[in-house]
Amino acid sequence: ELKVEQNPLFLSMQEGKNYTIYCNYSTTSDRLYWYRQDPGKSLESLFVLLSNGAVKQEGRLMASLDTKARLSTLHITAAVHDLSATYFCAVVFDNNNDMRFGAGTRLTVKP
Amino acid sequence: DAGVIQSPRHEVTEMGQEVTLRCKPISGHNSLFWYRQTMMRGLELLIYFNNNVPIDDSGMPEDRFSAKMPNASFSTLKIQPSEPRDSAVYFCASNPGLAGSNTGELFFGEGSRLTVL
Repeated sequence: ELKVEQNPLFLSMQEGKNYTIYCNYSTTSDRLYWYRQDPGKSLESLFVLLSNGAVKQEGRLMASLDTKARLSTLHITAAVHDLSATYFCAVVFDNNNDMRFGAGTRLTVKP
Repeated sequence: DAGVIQSPRHEVTEMGQEVTLRCKPISGHNSLFWYRQTMMRGLELLIYFNNNVPIDDSGMPEDRFSAKMPNASFSTLKIQPSEPRDSAVYFCASNPGLAGSNTGELFFGEGSRLTVL
């Protein structure tokens, strides 16, 4: 069964703190994506990770992929309020175009 | 360049009525996806098309749901008859496919928020 699991599902952080969101998936894939969704809005692509060991960084966010462990992480450094949103990881299985999403991590950054 | 365009943005209807949601993908994208988002079930893939051909419709909840893509620039998702449990945000997304250097990331529309009373 195709499964994409994120944890935590809810995360409340203080500004300036660091934290990591985890994404596990059930079967072989070398394509993993991170998206951001603001309340009531659409999904925006953040990172595309296409190989084992891939690491991408944008501002205070860094994503990595370990295909052997079937694990991706999204690391938040020195969080700021603007990062408050729901973050989704998504995986394409069997090298087709079928993208499955995790449940999302709702991040709240408090002053 | 215009992104994925969905209509209507909001629809309120009564149980039993027919609902048609529309999507125009980004020009040049040959794959189109319909997702449904609810609090309880998250983002669910309903169906996707490659080059206007439905590839996987296993996510379509039941026979009340149907999707078509008559040409490369237009797709519809129809619910007939609608039920209150169909209330959700329906997203359309497109991408250029996986050929060549394409990364496979999806570009989402703004969504259609459906409320069935």
